[in-house]
Amino acid sequence: AQRVTQPEKLLSVFKGAPVELKCNYSYSGSPELFWYVQYSRQRLQLLLRHISRESIKGFTADLNKGETSFHLKKPFAQEEDSAMYYCAPTGGGNKLTFGTGTQLKVEL
Amino acid sequence: GAGVSQSPRYKVAKRGQDVALRCDPISGHVSLFWYQQALGQGPEFLTYFQNEAQLDKSGLPSDRFFAERPEGSVSTLKIQRTQQEDSAVYLCASSLTDAAYEQYFGPGTRLTVT
Repeated sequence: AQRVTQPEKLLSVFKGAPVELKCNYSYSGSPELFWYVQYSRQRLQLLLRHISRESIKGFTADLNKGETSFHLKKPFAQEEDSAMYYCAPTGGGNKLTFGTGTQLKVEL
Repeated sequence: GAGVSQSPRYKVAKRGQDVALRCDPISGHVSLFWYQQALGQGPEFLTYFQNEAQLDKSGLPSDRFFAERPEGSVSTLKIQRTQQEDSAVYLCASSLTDAAYEQYFGPGTRLTVT
């Protein structure tokens, strides 16, 4: 079965500290991987996808096929990064399989 | 431009009632997805349309759930004889192409079954 694991429900960091949101997946084949974000009182939106290899709002994510991980990282957290983050691979079609999410709280 | 819209935003139903949830995708988007998000969980896939064709309904939890998109635009998710376990936020998303590369989400409909 396809599975996504985000081990931390809540991650609290201080402003300016590095951030790493963990994501491990269990998938057959070669899934596409995404991070979606939901800011307070906003709708779910795409943050970044591994195929584009880009940095969005200072976040990057590296796909490690050996460890089947797709951790989201940012070197210096900002207050506006506080949000719920979901790791979401696709596989076996177009549907996204979301993890349970990690609530990131950036404290001043 | 207008994003994905959903109505109603909130729905309270008595157990056993039927409900219909509407999704208006972004104009011209080929793909439409429905997800169910229970409290404290990530969204879970329900069903997927490419234009008017329902290509995947593997996530529908029971035959009480039915979705349609008759003209390839607006979609309706219907739940018959609602149960308490159906209480959740129902999210609709649309995508320009037939790939899942970027899905644009609506605000969701929060369904509470009492």
